[in-house]
Amino acid sequence: DIQMTQSPSSVSASVGDRVTITCRASQGISRWLAWYQQKPGKAPQLLIYAASSLQSGVPSRFSGSGSGTDFTLTITSLQPEDFATYYCQQGNSFPYTFGQGTKLEIK
Amino acid sequence: QVQLQESGPGLVKASQTLSLTCTVSGAAISGINYYWSWIRQPAGKGLEWIGRIQTSGGTKYNPSLKSRVTISGDTSNNHISLKLTSVTAADTAVYYCARGYSPLWDWGPGTLVIVSS
Repeated sequence: DIQMTQSPSSVSASVGDRVTITCRASQGISRWLAWYQQKPGKAPQLLIYAASSLQSGVPSRFSGSGSGTDFTLTITSLQPEDFATYYCQQGNSFPYTFGQGTKLEIK
Repeated sequence: QVQLQESGPGLVKASQTLSLTCTVSGAAISGINYYWSWIRQPAGKGLEWIGRIQTSGGTKYNPSLKSRVTISGDTSNNHISLKLTSVTAADTAVYYCARGYSPLWDWGPGTLVIVSS
């Protein structure tokens, strides 16, 4: 299985800050990477697919980059509704594994 | 817009079979470009992809569960089903169905299944 490692596991930030979350794959996955946001008690929601494509309806302060093994999710100008847990997922090969999650908390 | 809704028993006894249904609206599950997945999440933990189905193209399962899991589609009722046999406490989780496999475009709200001893 491809292992997906996110860092940091948690991060504290303030409204208006810029935050970057990284996701590293144990082997190359080209650009087969998606990012999801999950709020407590809710299902995850797709933010980014194909490493850098913004899902329809997702604010432009979210962006993704990377290819191969190293990827980043950047949120500029944090809003109160952005405090949540974020997951990456690879779609290069079975099984389609997720990172362990990054919890974004209010400072 | 595609909507998904999971349903099924919230409590299953250990060693028995967990059976869940995902009702899809807004799209036909038989659509040639549509895949449907099941994912689960134990309380306070991360996400695990269970498997996927394309009703015209077959199934793929996570090898960690492959011997116990079956995903099927009912095109007449537009349902996707999950069966997981010989459950243990480790199978206690919120179970989600979703459209796609990666990315997972649309998700149901999830249903909590507790395995009791």
